[in-house]
Amino acid sequence: QKEVEQNSGPLSVPEGAIASLNCTYSDRGSQSFFWYRQYSGKSPELIMFIYSNGDKEDGRFTAQLNKASQYVSLLIRDSQPSDSATYLCAVMRNRDDKIIFGKGTRLHILP
Amino acid sequence: DTGVSQDPRHKITKRGQNVTFRCDPISEHNRLYWYRQTLGQGPEFLTYFQNEAQLEKSRLLSDRFSAERPKGSFSTLEIQRTEQGDSAMYLCASTLGGSTDTQYFGPGTRLTVL
Repeated sequence: QKEVEQNSGPLSVPEGAIASLNCTYSDRGSQSFFWYRQYSGKSPELIMFIYSNGDKEDGRFTAQLNKASQYVSLLIRDSQPSDSATYLCAVMRNRDDKIIFGKGTRLHILP
Repeated sequence: DTGVSQDPRHKITKRGQNVTFRCDPISEHNRLYWYRQTLGQGPEFLTYFQNEAQLEKSRLLSDRFSAERPKGSFSTLEIQRTEQGDSAMYLCASTLGGSTDTQYFGPGTRLTVL
């Protein structure tokens, strides 16, 4: 089992709809979780981080964490064409603070 | 701009040549990470430093790879005798170093080995 798993997509979502991106992780002791957005040819940029179970909202973005299910998600409300990118889920391992990335999910917002 | 800089941004080299990349982290950040990213993959951890100490080196890093952070500020990543399989984006990231800290990435160095 890979440490951080994401569906590679592409995930196609109509403009204005909610995009839902999912991620599972294997290290039950992980405490810190991150979502990065990466445009083609660019480096990852941090969108959100979450440490506690539940929801965390920031503008159009909501991160959801369920440690019991080892599941973290990102919701993007009112999707815009500029949201089209690859979204990387990253998890900080508890035993050594190393951040492990998933392969990313390609999101395509349909105009 | 995250405050992390990398140089060069692009490097084209011939197989067998040596290349060196530089990363300048955010000044107060203690930890510095190197990742490699190929098309369609997430960043893969290579190595990281706490100040000038190299704490871990991935199995991905063969003997041809070496990294330094001599004064705990900037870092260099050297690849000797480059191979075509080394072609990738090399990313540097820095953090303050806390267990709940977030990484800020530089723009990356794209290496193409012909």
